[in-house]
Amino acid sequence: GAVVSQHPSRVICKSGTSVKIECRSLDFQATTMFWYRQFPKQSLMLMATSNEGSKATYEQGVEKDKFLINHASLTLSTLTVTSAHPEDSSFYICSARGGGDAGELFFGEGSRLTVL
Amino acid sequence: GQNIDQPTEMTATEGAIVQINCTYQTSGFNGLFWYQQHAGEAPTFLSYNVLDGLEEKGRFSSFLSRSKGYSYLLLKELQMKDSASYLCASLDSNYQLIWGAGTKLIIKP
Repeated sequence: GAVVSQHPSRVICKSGTSVKIECRSLDFQATTMFWYRQFPKQSLMLMATSNEGSKATYEQGVEKDKFLINHASLTLSTLTVTSAHPEDSSFYICSARGGGDAGELFFGEGSRLTVL
Repeated sequence: GQNIDQPTEMTATEGAIVQINCTYQTSGFNGLFWYQQHAGEAPTFLSYNVLDGLEEKGRFSSFLSRSKGYSYLLLKELQMKDSASYLCASLDSNYQLIWGAGTKLIIKP
């Protein structure tokens, strides 16, 4: 079946640095990709929705300048956490959908970010 | 309203099989997830079902019945490391994940 690859699975960085997380659809073209974030013992929260070739739509409360999302191609979306701080430490997961609004949704394995 | 129900705790024996059930009621439906979470760690993705039926991945299998709003996670050949919480989550029409409270699985030798 379709696979969504997310990289890196774990990343540790220093406070103030930027971290990029990649989400790739390996065998289908993803017209839409979603980025989620989870804090310990809490639900996964939708951060933003990105469509290929256009700007991402961010959920209320998510800082656009801090969480940069790029969906430059039909198989790749990236999330860049800029000037990371310890409170940004979290579990980030992406999902990808192909085939229009009725297309099946596939999830990546998630990325664990720890900011020291 | 939106609701996910799963048992609070289950106990099973090493080497045995256990089935963790989950029922859901959400606004729209875009799939059902199972996650494994060990204490103090991030959840680990186990499975995602959007079509009816059983999907098998090694020792773990997940089943979905959309008409019944029901899913189960089946764990075979239980190992001590399988002791963890298992979280059921439904993806609603807005792509928000609605989570169950989790089932704590205790494996005994």
